[in-house]
Parts: sequence; C-alpha cells; structure tokens
Amino acid sequence: DAKTTQPNSMESNEEEPVHLPCNHSTISGTDYIHWYRQLPSQGPEYVIHGLTSNVNNRMASLAIAEDRKSSTLILHRATLRDAAVYYCILRSHGGATNKLIFGTGTLLAVQP
Amino acid sequence: ETGVTQSPTHLIKTRGQQVTLRCSSQSGHNTVSWYQQALGQGPQFIFQYYREEENGRGNFPPRFSGLQFPNYSSELNVNALELDDSALYLCASSPPGTFLNEQFFGPGTRLTVL
Repeated sequence: DAKTTQPNSMESNEEEPVHLPCNHSTISGTDYIHWYRQLPSQGPEYVIHGLTSNVNNRMASLAIAEDRKSSTLILHRATLRDAAVYYCILRSHGGATNKLIFGTGTLLAVQP
Repeated sequence: ETGVTQSPTHLIKTRGQQVTLRCSSQSGHNTVSWYQQALGQGPQFIFQYYREEENGRGNFPPRFSGLQFPNYSSELNVNALELDDSALYLCASSPPGTFLNEQFFGPGTRLTVL
C-alpha cells in the first residue's frame, strides 16, 4: 500500500480557511485519495475523495496536484467543530478488500 | 436511520482472558471491518467480513477472530489477551457497491487489559 506523509499538527483560527497538505509521492495510477477525520472520542468519518480532478462537497474541497504526488484538503471556514485528526489515505483500485490504511494523521487545532 | 453501534463502550480485562466485542452495522450495509487504534496512533485494519465470510485480514495473529451474522452484525473475539491489546476497537460498515464506498464507523469499544 502506498504511503502518505502529513504534518503532525496544524493550527487555525475560527472562520479562516485551512489547508491540510498530504504527500504521496509513490501513488500509483489506480490509487484514489481519500480523507477521513476523527473528532475527539469518536470513530473516523469520511470527508472527501478524488482521483485526478479537484473535488468539492459540503464539508470540504480536495485539490490534487497535476502529478498526483500531493494533495490538499481545504476547509473553507474552520469552526471549532472541525478540530480533529485528519487522515489522508490512498485506496488502491482492484484490491479484494475494502480496507483503509491509516497513518498518524494531522491534528488540527482551531482557536476561537 | 441508525448508525453503526458498538458494545460495550468500555471493558476491562486481565491478561490471558478472552473478550468479545459486538457491532451492529448501519441498515443496508453488508460489509463490516474491524480496526484497532492504539493511543496516539491511526486505526490499524484487523479484518473485514462480507456476507458472513472473512474477506481480507491485516497483520494480526490468529487469536483475533471474528464472525458476521445473517443480519450483518459482527463480533470480534480476542483470545489470550495481552497488555498490548489495550486499545480502542472500531467497527465500520459499508454498503454494497464499489470498493470506493465510504466506511461508516462506530464510536468504538475501549478495551483495557491489566
């Protein structure tokens, strides 16, 4: 499974945008980029995923570099509720198992 | 719609004992995965069940075993507990479809082994 690298922690102010980076230099052509987050005392929850094109949903945007070796999760206006650990995960197409390989993620702190 | 539920919430066992953790998947979901999350770490994949059969396993010894029932609920059994088994155990379910389907996680069971 391809590996991802994320900063251990980041800080943001409430109502400001947050850009969470992820490096995945060994990504293969069939790897999708998924983001999950884990709020305190909860299980992880899905945020967004993409393959090549940038993606938007109600929670966030995902910007994928042209060479796909890195991506950025964008929270447009951080709220206190966005304080969580954010995981960038590569999921390989064609595998028999629908498993998630988590790293240690980025702990996002949001200041009021 | 009820989400993924797990029981019990917390559990304390001693070394050598056996434990069974339970998971009820979200309605309509036929795949259940189990993860172990040590303190300060990301979740680690234990195994997955699809239609009552094990469908993939992570790097965990055979004393970690599981079951999936016809209603798609699931159990995780751990025999001969070790101190390092102390962790948050997460269950996740996903609906039928492609491998890209998101996984819906329960709140976890906190297991402490003394």
